[in-house]
Amino acid sequence: EVQLVESGGGLVQPGGSLRLSCAASGFTFSDYYMDWVRQAPGKGLEWVGRIRNKAKSYTTEYAASVRGRFTISRDDSKNSLYLQMNSLKTEDTAVYYCTRGRDSGGRFHFDFWGQGTLVTVSS
Amino acid sequence: DIQMTQSPSTLSASVGDRVTITCRASQSISTWLAWYQQKPGKAPKLLIYKASSLESGVPSRFSGSGSGTEFTLTISSLQPDDFATYYCLQYDGYPRTFGGGTKVEIK
Repeated sequence: EVQLVESGGGLVQPGGSLRLSCAASGFTFSDYYMDWVRQAPGKGLEWVGRIRNKAKSYTTEYAASVRGRFTISRDDSKNSLYLQMNSLKTEDTAVYYCTRGRDSGGRFHFDFWGQGTLVTVSS
Repeated sequence: DIQMTQSPSTLSASVGDRVTITCRASQSISTWLAWYQQKPGKAPKLLIYKASSLESGVPSRFSGSGSGTEFTLTISSLQPDDFATYYCLQYDGYPRTFGGGTKVEIK
């Protein structure tokens, strides 16, 4: 059974940093692209960024709103995905979801999602 | 960025109704579109990918259609478990973008 379990959320002050983790199980983690998606309280879904697999040199993509502040990384030996968030702003307050990217013929949609972890940026 | 315009934002319907939700892309995305269902406090669940492919385990009352810039999610006979919020996602270009969501409420 595919499982994605996020952790590391919490309350942080504006300008602070936080590192989220996502533990994957039930599939060959190293084969897959992985994404982060967030959802502000009462709002819609916003894509944060992607990390590809080793075959694609672990290259990354980011939303403009987080580029330069957030960094996505992975440790295939630990079946884990990470999101390092620096220079946090109040507008980064959201539930952060870890998602798996599945190839549907050259493009990768999100098939499985974790339960999410809440990040609150407030003084 | 590719803008995804979803309509309606809210829909009131009864059990057994046929329900249609539309998503319009600001430029052609071929069939690189997915639909998700989200219930309060839960993660989104994949329903449809590549515009019309039904995800394994999803009831056949859900169907998707469209290509280019116009897409539709149809629920053929609304069931009590279907009251939720639905989102479309374009995965053709970066950044990936979602529609604003459609909340399906009980009439």
